[in-house]
Amino acid sequence: KAGVTQTPRYLIKTRGQQVTLSCSPISGHRSVSWYQQTPGQGLQFLFEYFSETQRNKGNFPGRFSGRQFSNSRSEMNVSTLELGDSALYLCASSFLTGSGTGELFFGEGSRLTVL
Amino acid sequence: GENVGLHLPTLSVQEGDNSIINCAYSNSASDYFIWYKQESGKGPQFIIDIRSNMDKRQGQRVTVLLNKTVKHLSLQIAATQPGDSAVYFCAENIPPNTGNQFYFGTGTSLTVIP
Repeated sequence: KAGVTQTPRYLIKTRGQQVTLSCSPISGHRSVSWYQQTPGQGLQFLFEYFSETQRNKGNFPGRFSGRQFSNSRSEMNVSTLELGDSALYLCASSFLTGSGTGELFFGEGSRLTVL
Repeated sequence: GENVGLHLPTLSVQEGDNSIINCAYSNSASDYFIWYKQESGKGPQFIIDIRSNMDKRQGQRVTVLLNKTVKHLSLQIAATQPGDSAVYFCAENIPPNTGNQFYFGTGTSLTVIP
């Protein structure tokens, strides 16, 4: 069974640009979560999607957004990039049959550098 | 502003010894906990989980202990191997979140000395 796939793995942007990151969850997993990992703040929750609906949202500005498609694939977008957005963005999928928590399977991440 | 890196606790152990990694969690209402291992350049990998109605759970070479009285979680790794070298995170889920919103600790860097 293929794991969580994130693309691109590495990217460099400049301040003010926008970026879209993609995540393909493990087949059969309907929950997709996004986390930001930085040396300064550690792992921080961005948002979670389940059946195309945002179910939870972390404490990030509105420049950070996401969506989930009917095949459970998810994208996140960051607009008007700032230097502080440089981070490893991790996607995690989980098999959930309804409300509740479950083991997260993480991808390798997309490393974003903002210049 | 200046981006100051987190000061990760570090633990160095001899190969074959047992390792104990500790985590203090933040919320007494947390009801589900997971330990993750993250190797350099990779995403976190699930090790073991425990729900708040349990005090102890064992896996292969790993044991998680939960002390709700002092909000403390520990991960014990038996017969530590070089492949165990990584950063270890505890993560907690705080109700009433009906989903996978986890709060991660700062992590502990484990180095196994051959």
